[in-house]
Amino acid sequence: QKEVEQDPGPLSVPEGAIVSLNCTYSNSAFQYFMWYRQYSRKGPELLMYTYSSGNKEDGRFTAQVDKSSKYISLFIRDSQPSDSATYLCAMSAGETSGSRLTFGEGTQLTVNP
Amino acid sequence: GAVVSQHPSWVICKSGTSVKIECRSLDFQATTMFWYRQFPKQSLMLMATSNEGSKATYEQGVEKDKFLINHASLTLSTLTVTSAHPEDSSFYICSAARGLSGNTIYFGEGSWLTVV
Repeated sequence: QKEVEQDPGPLSVPEGAIVSLNCTYSNSAFQYFMWYRQYSRKGPELLMYTYSSGNKEDGRFTAQVDKSSKYISLFIRDSQPSDSATYLCAMSAGETSGSRLTFGEGTQLTVNP
Repeated sequence: GAVVSQHPSWVICKSGTSVKIECRSLDFQATTMFWYRQFPKQSLMLMATSNEGSKATYEQGVEKDKFLINHASLTLSTLTVTSAHPEDSSFYICSAARGLSGNTIYFGEGSWLTVV
């Protein structure tokens, strides 16, 4: 069983839709949760960084963490064609930048104009 | 913002030759850098953690003699794929840690390696 599970999609939505992306994990030691956006043939870009359970909002993006269920989500409101990319969840047990990240498989999202 | 640069962006090499990929932090010093490989439509797999001035820590299953990592300065880490084979063809990505917190990790643009 993978430590982090993420539905690879593909997910296709119309412009303006609310997008929900999710990951589940099995390692209860994970405390730091991240969402990255990766455009085709590019390196990942950090979107959201959260610690423990709760919600965090940044513009059109909201990250949710439910540690009791080992489930994290990323919501994108008013989705735009420019949001079309692969979204990767990542998590780590430690806070420091030396802590290794474990990534999900990534969900490919297409927002259609 | 922080920028991590990788070079080359893509490279084609013959089987049996060695290829070096550079990862530079352009506007900050990075004591820790990470090297990943990513196959098409798959996630990033951590290969090794590179600390400036010390030997890299390799993940289980990664051959350290095949994937040589050198982190000689606070702004440069290199990955050398030795005696490359077609199965080494992949997207290699580095990341660099700008600070102590996990949200200060920045990724490079990646390097596509094709071994023919």
